[in-house]
Amino acid sequence: QKEVEQDPGPLSVPEGAIVSLNCTYSNSAFQYFMWYRQYSRKGPELLMYTYSSGNKEDGRFTAQVDKSSKYISLFIRDSQPSDSATYLCAMINNAGNMLTFGGGTRLMVKP
Amino acid sequence: KAGVTQTPRYLIKTRGQQVTLSCSPISGHRSVSWYQQTPGQGLQFLFEYFSETQRNKGNFPGRFSGRQFSNSRSEMNVSTLELGDSALYLCASSFLPGTGDGYTFGSGTRLTVV
Repeated sequence: QKEVEQDPGPLSVPEGAIVSLNCTYSNSAFQYFMWYRQYSRKGPELLMYTYSSGNKEDGRFTAQVDKSSKYISLFIRDSQPSDSATYLCAMINNAGNMLTFGGGTRLMVKP
Repeated sequence: KAGVTQTPRYLIKTRGQQVTLSCSPISGHRSVSWYQQTPGQGLQFLFEYFSETQRNKGNFPGRFSGRQFSNSRSEMNVSTLELGDSALYLCASSFLPGTGDGYTFGSGTRLTVV
């Protein structure tokens, strides 16, 4: 079983929809939680970063971390076709070791 | 400011050959880490360098190696290439290692082994 699990999708939604992306993890030592967006033929781009539990909002994006459930979420409001990409969750443990990624969820926002 | 630069962007090699990939980090960043991305395994950590020292290493065979130079530029080398080494190799730089908000990725080198 992988340390970080993520539904691969694809997830197809109409423009303007609210999108919910999720990851579960098994390592309780994870302290830093990130969401990356990756367009085809590009490297991952950091969207959101959260330390420990809680919520963080940035424009149309909201990240939530529930350490008690080992569950993190990314919400995208008013989704746009330009949001169509693969979304990757990533985590770092409290020793500051490498990023551990989920497998990625492919999102398609239809006009 | 300039981002993370990886060269070359695309590479085709034959089984048994070796390959060297290059990564130039963002100016001022001293940590460089490498990842392999494949459709089946996703993004997997290879190794991380900080101030010319390997700080962490992932679960890859010894054919995969790397180094970092005094100007923070990094190279990774894969010897005796296998078909399964075909992947997108990504480099990420950060000012310090282990800080979640600091990793910036390059666009990667697409390696195809035939």
